[in-house]
Amino acid sequence: DTAVSQTPKYLVTQMGNDKSIKCEQNLGHDTMYWYKQDSKKFLKIMFSYNNKELIINETVPNRFSPKSPDKAHLNLHINSLELGDSAVYFCASSPGPFGGRIQETQYFGPGTRLLVL
Amino acid sequence: GESVGLHLPTLSVQEGDNSIINCAYSNSASDYFIWYKQESGKGPQFIIDIRSNMDKRQGQRVTVLLNKTVKHLSLQIAATQPGDSAVYFCAEKGRGDYKLSFGAGTTVTVRA
Repeated sequence: DTAVSQTPKYLVTQMGNDKSIKCEQNLGHDTMYWYKQDSKKFLKIMFSYNNKELIINETVPNRFSPKSPDKAHLNLHINSLELGDSAVYFCASSPGPFGGRIQETQYFGPGTRLLVL
Repeated sequence: GESVGLHLPTLSVQEGDNSIINCAYSNSASDYFIWYKQESGKGPQFIIDIRSNMDKRQGQRVTVLLNKTVKHLSLQIAATQPGDSAVYFCAEKGRGDYKLSFGAGTTVTVRA
C-alpha cells in the first residue's frame, strides 16, 4: 500500500564508507526526487529524474550519485561518507507533465536517517 | 495563535483555537505554492496547494491565502487539535520548473 517507500529507514556507518539508499514509488509517477533535511529541518533538493532522465542536479558533491533504473525507482549512492553527510534523506515523486503542464504536488517517502560516525 | 514576520520557528497554540502560519517568498515568478506538514519521524505530508491565479483556497479545516503583492502566503488551521502538532513547510515553484523551494519550517505545538 505504501506510495513512496525507502530503504533502509536507519543507516549508521563509519566515515569513508560507501552506502546506498533505495526508493520506490507505486503511484505511477514520472518524476522522482532526492532531498536532504539537515538538523534544522531545512529541506533542500538534491536531484530529480523524469522518466529516468536527470532534470535537476543541484550543487551536490560528486560523491553523491543518483541512479534511476526505471521510472518507479530512484536510488542514491554515496561514496566516501563524511560526518557532514549525516542528515535525513527523503525521496519524493510527482506525476510529471500532464496535458502540457507539470503536475507539481510531490509525495514524500518516510525518510532515511543517515548517521556517519 | 499566529506566526509573524519572515519566519518564526515556533508557534504555540491552545487546543481549539485557530492557528495562522505565515510564509514570505522572494521569487515573483513563482506560480505554485504548497503547504506540507511533517510529524516527528515522518516525511512531509501534503496539506493544500494554491496557484498564483487564486488568492484563497479552502480544504478541510485549512485555508491557504496568497498575497502576491507582498509575496506572502499563510496557512490557517481552524479549531487546532493535538494531532496538528508538527513542523509546517511552505514551498514555491516557478512556472515550468520541477523544483520546489522550501521555506525553513514552523514548529506548531498545540497546548491541551
